[in-house]
Amino acid sequence: SAVISQKPSRDICQRGTSLTIQCQVDSQVTMMFWYRQQPGQSLTLIATANQGSEATYESGFVIDKFPISRPNLTFSTLTVSNMSPEDSSIYLCSVRGEMNTEAFFGQGTRLTVV
Amino acid sequence: GENVEQHPSTLSVQEGDSAVIKCTYSDSASNYFPWYKQELGKRPQLIIDIRSNVGEKKDQRIAVTLNKTAKHFSLHITETQPEDSAVYFCAASYYYKLSFGAGTTVTVRA
Repeated sequence: SAVISQKPSRDICQRGTSLTIQCQVDSQVTMMFWYRQQPGQSLTLIATANQGSEATYESGFVIDKFPISRPNLTFSTLTVSNMSPEDSSIYLCSVRGEMNTEAFFGQGTRLTVV
Repeated sequence: GENVEQHPSTLSVQEGDSAVIKCTYSDSASNYFPWYKQELGKRPQLIIDIRSNVGEKKDQRIAVTLNKTAKHFSLHITETQPEDSAVYFCAASYYYKLSFGAGTTVTVRA
């Protein structure tokens, strides 16, 4: 199993500003992912954080809005840039060690943009 | 890409009764199908998973069935208890990427 520490757990931000969310895993993992979960909705994959290379973004998400870093196999950050109220959501970090194995999630960051 | 549909969106059952949630997927290459439970304000947690080489898997009161030909899989919870009340998500995976269903809110009435 993997223990994931994600911070901050919540934040209230002014529109137009940026917030960086950190995800720390207690062991080296192959794949790290960032999801968005809007209130009462499912999990939508934003991007796959690749160690040593640029993240792979899903349709509808772009690097300028959600820049991601993955400096090593245990850490990643997601930045939500130039925020608007529509960015208010829960952002979740997730990791998988191998294919066809359990995905573990961080506790999430509840972001409110005012 | 993979598209996962989940039904019903809400499910209310009497304590002790069974609950069934159904999902369909679109990509025949998907080979891993987990189910996650998410309680209010908490992170999703795996409750059971099944791989494409298996048709059925059971863990105490929870079971999952998979029909690869029809591309659908189901979660069965027997003898439901109040602590089973939560949102349940099915997912399908090929390689590393998980695609989630829309979720089912299960309420167990005492």
